[in-house]
Amino acid sequence: DGGITQSPKYLFRKEGQNVTLSCEQNLNHDAMYWYRQDPGQGLRLIYYSQIVNDFQKGDIAEGYSVSREKKESFPLTVTSAQKNPTAFYLCASSTVSNNSPLHFGNGTRLTVT
Amino acid sequence: SQQGEEDPQALSIQEGENATMNCSYKTSINNLQWYRQNSGRGLVHLILIRSNEREKHSGRLRVTLDTSKKSSSLLITASRAADTASYFCATDMSGGTSYGKLTFGQGTILTVHP
Repeated sequence: DGGITQSPKYLFRKEGQNVTLSCEQNLNHDAMYWYRQDPGQGLRLIYYSQIVNDFQKGDIAEGYSVSREKKESFPLTVTSAQKNPTAFYLCASSTVSNNSPLHFGNGTRLTVT
Repeated sequence: SQQGEEDPQALSIQEGENATMNCSYKTSINNLQWYRQNSGRGLVHLILIRSNEREKHSGRLRVTLDTSKKSSSLLITASRAADTASYFCATDMSGGTSYGKLTFGQGTILTVHP
């Protein structure tokens, strides 16, 4: 079955440490996205990529970095510069076309203490 | 900034009743999409309505779009306990070479009591 796999499901880190969240898709989608969700909130776009080796900042990119070396993979690094990193992180993918819905992974819950 | 604002924030109904959720937005859109999220899980796409469409159905779901009022509604008919989830509207304002950048509302938490 095709889908998006995010790992790990839960992640705990100490303040000041960088941490990388994994996102892999086998849907053959060109576009991939990272969203952040805080309790009781909607999703906010961190970064997105429409093609390998290219990505753009979303609305809240500060303190985050990404890479897109392979079509299937779009890892997100939460750096120590992110002031409030504790959140639920969701990865998504889509085709690069008009009116294309997003397919989401099941998220990684990051807790930084 | 959040493009979509949803109303109500929470909705509690009995099984068998209909549930209506509303979404308002601020700028022109290409399409509006509705997603469902079960607690602690990812979002699942439910339905997409294009800016030139006024109504769309999918099973027990009915979505309307009023571009003059910049609003949409999602109706779930004959609700079931399994419909309990958060529902989000998302607007696609992208065009040209930028696809799929959605802006999400804060969601409506729907609770269906058996």
